[in-house]
Amino acid sequence: KAGVTQTPRYLIKTRGQQVTLSCSPISGHRSVSWYQQTPGQGLQFLFEYFSETQRNKGNFPGRFSGRQFSNSRSEMNVSTLELGDSALYLCASSLNGQGMDEKLFFGSGTQLSVL
Amino acid sequence: GNSVTQMEGPVTLSEEAFLTINCTYTATGYPSLFWYVQYPGEGLQLLLKATKADDKGSNKGFEATYRKETTSFHLEKGSVQVSDSAVYFCALIKNNNDMRFGAGTRLTVKP
Repeated sequence: KAGVTQTPRYLIKTRGQQVTLSCSPISGHRSVSWYQQTPGQGLQFLFEYFSETQRNKGNFPGRFSGRQFSNSRSEMNVSTLELGDSALYLCASSLNGQGMDEKLFFGSGTQLSVL
Repeated sequence: GNSVTQMEGPVTLSEEAFLTINCTYTATGYPSLFWYVQYPGEGLQLLLKATKADDKGSNKGFEATYRKETTSFHLEKGSVQVSDSAVYFCALIKNNNDMRFGAGTRLTVKP
């Protein structure tokens, strides 16, 4: 079974631009969660999508948005990029969603650098 | 709200040394607790978990015991190897909310 796939692996953008990241979950998994990882803040929860609906949302500004398609693939978009958005963005999939006793499967991440 | 606090790194040990990484949590009731590990250039992988008080999670020589009385879930290994060098994250989840992670502890094991 293929794991969680994130593309692209690396991205370099400039301030003010927008970016779209993609995540393909493990086949059969209906939940996709997104996290931002930075050295100073650790892992910060962005949002979770389940069956094409946003189920949970973290404390990030509206510039961060996402969506999920009928095949469970998910995209995350960041508009008007700021230097502080430079981070590793991790996607995690699970069968039925984050909850008690639920294991998350992580992708290798997209490393975004904003110049 | 629910949160996890883990010891700051980095931690540097010699091969075969004993490892402890402290983790404490704040949550009402009984969350599920996890340790995830991130090897260089990779995403996180579940290392072990415990879902109720006094449960012991174990995997690859690592252990952690869910202590309700001290709200802790410390990670231990009796004899670390160079291949254990990674970043370790303590995490909790409760009531279908998002999984909350600690800041991560970088472990370097030297031969």
